[in-house]
Amino acid sequence: AQSVTQPDIHITVSEGASLELRCNYSYGATPYLFWYVQSPGQGLQLLLKYFSGDTLVQGIKGFEAEFKRSQSSFNLRKPSVHWSDAAEYFCAVAPNDYKLSFGAGTTVTVRA
Amino acid sequence: ETGVTQTPRHLVMGMTNKKSLKCEQHLGHNAMYWYKQSAKKPLELMFVYNFKEQTENNSVPSRFSPECPNSSHLFLHLHTLQPEDSALYLCASSLYRDTGELFFGEGSRLTVL
Repeated sequence: AQSVTQPDIHITVSEGASLELRCNYSYGATPYLFWYVQSPGQGLQLLLKYFSGDTLVQGIKGFEAEFKRSQSSFNLRKPSVHWSDAAEYFCAVAPNDYKLSFGAGTTVTVRA
Repeated sequence: ETGVTQTPRHLVMGMTNKKSLKCEQHLGHNAMYWYKQSAKKPLELMFVYNFKEQTENNSVPSRFSPECPNSSHLFLHLHTLQPEDSALYLCASSLYRDTGELFFGEGSRLTVL
């Protein structure tokens, strides 16, 4: 069965420290890949997407993600976290059609 | 107004009530979606509309009834719900159905007593 896995339910990071969120998918071919962020009380906002080409993708708010075909992964990174980055992060994949499948999310807490 | 707007933001209803959730998008998009978000579970796609036509019903119980009168408006009519239907209902839109780039509203928090 096709699936999206975010292994970390909750991550706590200090402000200014680096952040990496993991995402693995299980599909027959390379799907379209996305990261969304949901701040408290808000809807989801697209951070970045990968369709093809350069495997390192830059997004908004200083985030980047790297697609690794051999590992079926699409991990999200940020070099220096700000308190406003506290939110829930969702990895999503769309195989060969529009049907986005979301992971269960990773909650990020930022401590001062 | 810009973006995707959902009303009401919060709704409490009894199991015998009938209510509706409304979604409006001002982005000129052609596809609209309803998702259900429950705590610590992946978002569940409920319905998809493309150019006002329903293209996806993800085995949603008939107590949820969608309506899409035009490409800018989407409703979710609710009747005889169950307590397990309590969740955040998110509306989203995209320029075309196949892009995967969704724009979400802030959601309607539903509590069924």
